[in-house]
Amino acid sequence: NAGVTQTPKFRILKIGQSMTLQCAQDMNHNYMYWYRQDPGMGLKLIYYSVGAGITDKGEVPNGYNVSRSTTEDFPLRLELAAPSQTSVYFCASSYSTPMNTEAFFGQGTRLTVV
Amino acid sequence: QKEVEQNSGPLSVPEGAIASLNCTYSDRGSQSFFWYRQYSGKSPELIMSIYSNGDKEDGRFTAQLNKASQYVSLLIRDSQPSDSATYLCAVNGGMFGNQFYFGTGTSLTVIP
Repeated sequence: NAGVTQTPKFRILKIGQSMTLQCAQDMNHNYMYWYRQDPGMGLKLIYYSVGAGITDKGEVPNGYNVSRSTTEDFPLRLELAAPSQTSVYFCASSYSTPMNTEAFFGQGTRLTVV
Repeated sequence: QKEVEQNSGPLSVPEGAIASLNCTYSDRGSQSFFWYRQYSGKSPELIMSIYSNGDKEDGRFTAQLNKASQYVSLLIRDSQPSDSATYLCAVNGGMFGNQFYFGTGTSLTVIP
C-alpha cells in the first residue's frame, strides 16, 4: 500500500537554486495539497488541486509553483530557493468530497536552503 | 478571517490520566473536523474525525464538537507514554472550502 509518496526525503539547496519536490498518490484521490511545516508550527497550505489541470493558491504560495497534469502526480517547484524556504514539506491527498473523509499524508521532504 | 487556534502547550499528564486538548475555529460554516497526531520527525496521522455536534468515541479517544461555540476537543483516556506527540486540529468546509486548515498543534507529554 503505497498511499502518498514523496521524493526526495532530504535535500540541501544553495540560495538561488531550483528544485522540484515530487508527490504521487495511488488512491485515485481528486484533491491534492502541499503544506509546509516550520519548527514548532502547524501546517501551512502552499497550493492545492481539485483535479487534473486545476490548481489554486493556499495561504503561503509565494516562491512556489505547482502543476497537475495527471490525477496521480502533484509536483511542487521552487524556482529561486531562499533561506526562508527551509522547512519540512508535506504532500497530502483526499477524496473529492471533503465530508466524511480525511487527508492522507506523505512522509515529508526536509529541505534546507543555505 | 480563517483561523484555527490551539493551546500550544506543552501539556504534561501522568500515565493513566485523562489528557484534554482543545481547538477553536473562526468559521461557523465549517463542516468537518479532524484530530491528527504527529510524532517528532514524522508525518501527521489521523486520530479522529467528527462532523456532527456531540461526542464521538473510538477506543481511548473521544472527540467532542460544539458548532454553536465553534469548539472541538479531544480527550485521551488512560494516557500512555506512547501518546506523547503533537496533536493537530484541522478544519474543512465553509469559508475554508475544500482545504484543510490546521492549528499550530498542542504538544503532549505523558509522564510514566
